[in-house]
Amino acid sequence: KAGVTQTPRYLIKTRGQQVTLSCSPISGHRSVSWYQQTPGQGLQFLFEYFSETQRNKGNFPGRFSGRQFSNSRSEMNVSTLELGDSALYLCASSSGQGDSPLHFGNGTRLTVT
Amino acid sequence: QKEVEQNSGPLSVPEGAIASLNCTYSDRGSQSFFWYRQYSGKSPELIMFIYSNGDKEDGRFTAQLNKASQYVSLLIRDSQPSDSATYLCAVNELTGNQFYFGTGTSLTVIP
Repeated sequence: KAGVTQTPRYLIKTRGQQVTLSCSPISGHRSVSWYQQTPGQGLQFLFEYFSETQRNKGNFPGRFSGRQFSNSRSEMNVSTLELGDSALYLCASSSGQGDSPLHFGNGTRLTVT
Repeated sequence: QKEVEQNSGPLSVPEGAIASLNCTYSDRGSQSFFWYRQYSGKSPELIMFIYSNGDKEDGRFTAQLNKASQYVSLLIRDSQPSDSATYLCAVNELTGNQFYFGTGTSLTVIP
């Protein structure tokens, strides 16, 4: 069974640009969650999608948005990039039931210059 | 604000010793508990999960849960240098499927 796939692995962008990250969940998983990880802040929850609907949302500004497609693949978009957006962005999938664990992808390392 | 707290460490143990990692959580409604291991520069990988009070063993790993004390721990027996990593505790409440992560404990196993 293939794991969670995130593309691209690395990105370098300039302040003010926008970026789109992609995530393909494990086959059969309907929930996709996004996290931002920085050395000082740990894992910060961005949002979770389940069956194409945003079910949970963290405390990030509106510049961070996402969506989920009918095949459960998800994209995350960050507009008007800031230096502080440099981080490892992790996608995790699960069945969406409360007792099922998250399975993480390898992440996208975003650097904003 | 629901919180999951872990000692940031670093925790150092000699090879072959038992490493004990602890986690407390604030929400009594939490139902599922997970331990993840994260090597430097890599993504978190699931080690264990536990739902009921008591101990759950898987190889060298034992997860312990005490819901009354809102406390979950991970014991690593016969620690190996390859166990050196950051260990993340995660808690989930059944309603809403919201996960809450601790900031992680850095473990170093000294050969």
